[in-house]
Amino acid sequence: DVKVTQSSRYLVKRTGEKVFLECVQDMDHENMFWYRQDPGLGLRLIYFSYDVKMKEKGDIPEGYSVSREKKERFSLILESASTNQTSMYLCASSLRDRDSYKNDQPQHFGDGTRLSIL
Amino acid sequence: GNSVTQMEGPVTLSEEAFLTINCTYTATGYPSLFWYVQYPGEGLQLLLKATKADDKGSNKGFEATYRKETTSFHLEKGSVQVSDSAVYFCALRPSTDSWGKLQFGAGTQVVVTP
Repeated sequence: DVKVTQSSRYLVKRTGEKVFLECVQDMDHENMFWYRQDPGLGLRLIYFSYDVKMKEKGDIPEGYSVSREKKERFSLILESASTNQTSMYLCASSLRDRDSYKNDQPQHFGDGTRLSIL
Repeated sequence: GNSVTQMEGPVTLSEEAFLTINCTYTATGYPSLFWYVQYPGEGLQLLLKATKADDKGSNKGFEATYRKETTSFHLEKGSVQVSDSAVYFCALRPSTDSWGKLQFGAGTQVVVTP
């Protein structure tokens, strides 16, 4: 079974702090993703990465950055935390498609980090 | 752009009742469609998927059929259990996407009472 591990289940930080959220997957997946989950809004993509050192902005990248120095690890960084970044953060990974005509590789999720910014 | 619309919850029903969660989508071409489930305190798990029109995905008693003519992917289960209480997310992957990105609906909370 694929295992996606997020370093913390709960985290409390103060406004203005630099916050690091870590995610590790053990199945050699090429793609990794960071989402935030808010009630009534579903999951919104922050950033994703399709290879080591490669990253692309998602739908809501403002106030965030990411790092992928090793294939198995994808870090989300809040440069200067603000109260509107209080949320549930979910990491996911997936295999690159083996058949370009079948976009069917599912994403595998970690259990999430509930982050509170005070 | 691409979007997914799910029925609002919470949906409350009794054990052994029939469950339907509506999902419609907007996308060009033939996206792949997924249902994910999130149990309390956990991340999302893939429930089922379908990659082309008229495909039926099924798992754990749940089913959903990819209907291109109505741009829908409704989730159904014939007899729910208390353990099916969770939040259910419909998602699509555009046919033009190369990176595995998903567009999620807002989620539908389902509460099953004994």
